[in-house]
Amino acid sequence: AQSVTQLDSHVSVSEGTPVLLRCNYSSSYSPSLFWYVQHPNKGLQLLLKYTSAATLVKGINGFEAEFKKSETSFHLTKPSAHMSDAAEYFCVVSEEGGGNKLTFGTGTQLKVEL
Amino acid sequence: GAVVSQHPSRVICKSGTSVKIECRSLDFQATTMFWYRQFPKKSLMLMATSNEGSKATYEQGVEKDKFLINHASLTLSTLTVTSAHPEDSSFYICSAPKEGRSYYGYTFGSGTRLTVV
Repeated sequence: AQSVTQLDSHVSVSEGTPVLLRCNYSSSYSPSLFWYVQHPNKGLQLLLKYTSAATLVKGINGFEAEFKKSETSFHLTKPSAHMSDAAEYFCVVSEEGGGNKLTFGTGTQLKVEL
Repeated sequence: GAVVSQHPSRVICKSGTSVKIECRSLDFQATTMFWYRQFPKKSLMLMATSNEGSKATYEQGVEKDKFLINHASLTLSTLTVTSAHPEDSSFYICSAPKEGRSYYGYTFGSGTRLTVV
Protein backbone atom coordinates (compact mmCIF):
# COMPACT_ATOMS: atom_id res chain seq x y z
CA ALA A 1 0.00 0.00 0.00
CA GLN A 2 1.17 3.50 -0.71
CA SER A 3 0.18 6.86 0.66
CA VAL A 4 1.39 10.42 0.63
CA THR A 5 0.91 13.21 3.12
CA GLN A 6 1.30 16.86 2.34
CA LEU A 7 1.77 18.49 5.68
CA ASP A 8 0.56 21.97 4.78
CA SER A 9 -2.67 22.77 2.97
CA HIS A 10 -1.64 26.42 2.54
CA VAL A 11 1.75 28.09 2.37
CA SER A 12 2.27 31.81 2.02
CA VAL A 13 5.62 33.40 1.15
CA SER A 14 6.87 36.77 0.04
CA GLU A 15 8.24 37.18 -3.46
CA GLY A 16 11.98 36.55 -3.49
CA THR A 17 11.98 34.36 -0.37
CA PRO A 18 12.51 30.58 -0.28
CA VAL A 19 9.70 28.08 -0.80
CA LEU A 20 9.35 24.82 1.11
CA LEU A 21 6.44 22.46 0.43
CA ARG A 22 6.55 19.37 2.57
CA CYS A 23 5.67 15.82 1.55
CA ASN A 24 6.03 12.50 3.34
CA TYR A 25 5.24 9.15 1.78
CA SER A 26 4.83 5.50 2.62
CA SER A 27 5.38 2.70 0.17
CA SER A 28 5.71 -1.07 0.19
CA TYR A 29 7.97 -1.05 -2.85
CA SER A 30 10.63 1.24 -4.22
CA PRO A 31 8.58 4.29 -5.05
CA SER A 32 8.64 6.80 -7.82
CA LEU A 33 7.81 10.26 -6.55
CA PHE A 34 6.54 13.27 -8.42
CA TRP A 35 5.60 16.86 -7.85
CA TYR A 36 2.90 18.33 -10.05
CA VAL A 37 1.65 21.89 -10.23
CA GLN A 38 -1.85 22.95 -11.16
CA HIS A 39 -2.60 26.55 -12.00
CA PRO A 40 -6.23 27.69 -11.86
CA ASN A 41 -8.35 26.19 -14.63
CA LYS A 42 -5.32 24.41 -16.06
CA GLY A 43 -4.27 20.79 -16.29
CA LEU A 44 -1.52 19.28 -14.24
CA GLN A 45 2.09 19.99 -15.12
CA LEU A 46 5.01 17.83 -14.02
CA LEU A 47 7.61 19.78 -12.06
CA LEU A 48 10.01 16.95 -11.34
CA LYS A 49 10.26 13.24 -10.61
CA TYR A 50 12.38 10.84 -8.60
CA THR A 51 12.85 7.33 -9.94
CA SER A 52 15.71 5.77 -7.93
CA ALA A 53 18.51 7.71 -9.55
CA ALA A 54 20.00 10.83 -7.96
CA THR A 55 18.32 11.71 -4.68
CA LEU A 56 18.42 15.43 -5.41
CA VAL A 57 16.13 16.08 -8.31
CA LYS A 58 16.06 19.32 -10.24
CA GLY A 59 12.89 20.32 -12.03
CA ILE A 60 11.50 23.12 -14.09
CA ASN A 61 11.17 26.76 -13.03
CA GLY A 62 13.93 26.49 -10.44
CA PHE A 63 12.24 23.88 -8.28
CA GLU A 64 14.06 20.93 -6.77
CA ALA A 65 13.28 18.13 -4.34
CA GLU A 66 15.38 15.76 -2.28
CA PHE A 67 14.44 12.13 -1.72
CA LYS A 68 15.29 11.12 1.85
CA LYS A 69 14.55 7.47 2.43
CA SER A 70 15.42 7.59 6.13
CA GLU A 71 12.85 10.32 6.65
CA THR A 72 10.40 9.06 3.97
CA SER A 73 10.26 12.61 2.70
CA PHE A 74 10.31 14.34 -0.67
CA HIS A 75 10.06 18.05 0.10
CA LEU A 76 9.85 20.57 -2.72
CA THR A 77 11.98 23.71 -2.54
CA LYS A 78 12.81 26.80 -4.52
CA PRO A 79 15.38 29.41 -3.46
CA SER A 80 13.36 32.44 -4.53
CA ALA A 81 9.61 32.58 -5.06
CA HIS A 82 8.06 34.37 -8.00
CA MET A 83 4.51 35.63 -8.31
CA SER A 84 3.90 33.13 -11.10
CA ASP A 85 4.60 30.26 -8.69
CA ALA A 86 1.26 30.81 -6.99
CA ALA A 87 -0.67 27.59 -7.66
CA GLU A 88 -1.70 24.25 -6.18
CA TYR A 89 1.08 21.70 -5.77
CA PHE A 90 0.58 17.95 -5.54
CA CYS A 91 3.02 15.37 -4.25
CA VAL A 92 2.42 12.01 -5.88
CA VAL A 93 3.73 8.50 -5.27
CA SER A 94 3.70 5.50 -7.57
CA GLU A 95 4.86 1.96 -6.96
CA GLU A 96 6.16 -0.32 -9.69
CA GLY A 97 4.50 -3.19 -7.92
CA GLY A 98 1.30 -1.24 -7.47
CA GLY A 99 0.11 -1.35 -11.05
CA ASN A 100 1.51 2.07 -11.87
CA LYS A 101 -1.28 3.73 -9.96
CA LEU A 102 -0.68 7.22 -8.73
CA THR A 103 -1.62 8.26 -5.24
CA PHE A 104 -2.00 11.99 -4.82
CA GLY A 105 -1.45 14.09 -1.76
CA THR A 106 -4.19 16.48 -0.77
CA GLY A 107 -2.35 19.42 -2.30
CA THR A 108 -0.67 22.57 -1.00
CA GLN A 109 -1.92 25.96 -2.08
CA LEU A 110 1.07 28.29 -2.50
CA LYS A 111 0.41 31.99 -2.19
CA VAL A 112 3.10 34.49 -3.15
CA GLU A 113 2.82 38.01 -1.84
CA LEU A 114 4.59 41.18 -2.88
CA GLY B 1 6.24 13.64 -26.97
CA ALA B 2 3.75 11.50 -25.02
CA VAL B 3 0.80 13.85 -25.31
CA VAL B 4 -2.72 13.00 -24.20
CA SER B 5 -5.46 15.06 -25.80
CA GLN B 6 -8.64 15.33 -23.74
CA HIS B 7 -11.97 16.62 -25.06
CA PRO B 8 -14.10 18.47 -24.36
CA SER B 9 -12.39 20.90 -22.01
CA ARG B 10 -15.72 22.18 -20.73
CA VAL B 11 -19.24 20.83 -21.01
CA ILE B 12 -22.56 21.88 -19.58
CA CYS B 13 -25.38 19.37 -19.75
CA LYS B 14 -28.88 18.97 -18.46
CA SER B 15 -29.64 16.64 -15.61
CA GLY B 16 -30.48 13.16 -16.86
CA THR B 17 -28.41 13.30 -20.03
CA SER B 18 -25.13 11.51 -20.73
CA VAL B 19 -21.76 13.04 -21.45
CA LYS B 20 -18.78 11.40 -23.09
CA ILE B 21 -15.21 12.50 -22.38
CA GLU B 22 -12.44 11.34 -24.69
CA CYS B 23 -8.75 10.94 -24.01
CA ARG B 24 -6.56 10.23 -26.97
CA SER B 25 -2.84 9.49 -26.91
CA LEU B 26 -1.35 11.35 -29.85
CA ASP B 27 2.14 9.96 -30.25
CA PHE B 28 2.33 6.82 -28.17
CA GLN B 29 0.28 3.76 -27.37
CA ALA B 30 -1.57 4.04 -24.10
CA THR B 31 -2.30 0.50 -23.03
CA THR B 32 -3.42 1.87 -19.69
CA MET B 33 -5.38 5.00 -18.90
CA PHE B 34 -6.24 6.33 -15.47
CA TRP B 35 -9.34 8.40 -14.87
CA TYR B 36 -9.41 10.90 -12.02
CA ARG B 37 -11.97 13.20 -10.56
CA GLN B 38 -11.24 16.36 -8.65
CA PHE B 39 -13.77 17.80 -6.25
CA PRO B 40 -13.57 21.52 -5.51
CA LYS B 41 -10.63 22.33 -3.24
CA LYS B 42 -9.81 18.64 -2.99
CA SER B 43 -7.14 16.41 -4.38
CA LEU B 44 -7.50 14.15 -7.36
CA MET B 45 -9.20 10.86 -6.68
CA LEU B 46 -8.62 7.84 -8.87
CA MET B 47 -11.92 6.60 -10.27
CA ALA B 48 -10.87 3.75 -12.48
CA THR B 49 -8.12 2.21 -14.55
CA SER B 50 -8.84 1.25 -18.12
CA ASN B 51 -6.80 -1.27 -20.06
CA GLU B 52 -7.00 -1.68 -23.79
CA GLY B 53 -9.17 -4.60 -24.75
CA SER B 54 -10.39 -5.49 -21.29
CA LYS B 55 -12.84 -4.30 -18.66
CA ALA B 56 -11.94 -1.31 -16.57
CA THR B 57 -11.04 -1.67 -12.92
CA TYR B 58 -13.06 0.64 -10.71
CA GLU B 59 -12.02 1.99 -7.34
CA GLN B 60 -14.18 1.31 -4.34
CA GLY B 61 -17.22 3.53 -4.20
CA VAL B 62 -17.26 4.37 -7.91
CA GLU B 63 -20.44 3.28 -9.69
CA LYS B 64 -19.58 1.22 -12.76
CA ASP B 65 -22.95 1.76 -14.40
CA LYS B 66 -22.76 5.49 -13.95
CA PHE B 67 -19.21 6.00 -15.15
CA LEU B 68 -18.78 3.85 -18.22
CA ILE B 69 -15.23 3.44 -19.42
CA ASN B 70 -14.25 2.11 -22.78
CA HIS B 71 -10.70 1.51 -23.99
CA ALA B 72 -11.28 0.00 -27.39
CA SER B 73 -7.98 0.96 -28.97
CA LEU B 74 -4.41 1.68 -27.95
CA THR B 75 -4.92 5.38 -28.53
CA LEU B 76 -8.40 6.09 -27.22
CA SER B 77 -10.10 5.78 -23.86
CA THR B 78 -13.51 7.26 -23.11
CA LEU B 79 -15.43 8.02 -19.94
CA THR B 80 -19.20 8.37 -20.23
CA VAL B 81 -21.12 9.90 -17.36
CA THR B 82 -24.58 8.41 -17.71
CA SER B 83 -27.76 10.06 -16.47
CA ALA B 84 -25.75 12.92 -15.08
CA HIS B 85 -26.88 14.77 -11.98
CA PRO B 86 -25.63 18.01 -10.41
CA GLU B 87 -23.52 16.06 -7.92
CA ASP B 88 -21.55 14.70 -10.88
CA SER B 89 -20.34 18.20 -11.64
CA SER B 90 -16.59 18.05 -11.28
CA PHE B 91 -13.23 18.23 -12.99
CA TYR B 92 -12.32 14.97 -14.71
CA ILE B 93 -8.81 14.24 -15.89
CA CYS B 94 -7.15 11.29 -17.57
CA SER B 95 -3.58 10.17 -17.35
CA ALA B 96 -1.39 7.56 -18.98
CA PRO B 97 2.03 6.23 -18.07
CA LYS B 98 4.58 7.04 -20.70
CA GLU B 99 5.99 3.97 -22.39
CA GLY B 100 3.76 1.86 -20.14
CA ARG B 101 5.84 2.31 -16.99
CA SER B 102 5.68 4.84 -14.19
CA TYR B 103 9.48 5.09 -14.36
CA TYR B 104 9.10 7.39 -17.30
CA GLY B 105 6.43 9.49 -15.65
CA TYR B 106 2.90 10.23 -16.61
CA THR B 107 1.22 12.47 -19.05
CA PHE B 108 -2.08 14.09 -18.25
CA GLY B 109 -4.95 15.32 -20.32
CA SER B 110 -5.89 18.95 -19.86
CA GLY B 111 -9.04 17.98 -17.98
CA THR B 112 -12.77 18.35 -18.53
CA ARG B 113 -14.92 20.66 -16.44
CA LEU B 114 -18.37 19.09 -16.28
CA THR B 115 -21.30 21.17 -15.07
CA VAL B 116 -24.68 19.48 -14.75
CA VAL B 117 -27.64 21.86 -14.49
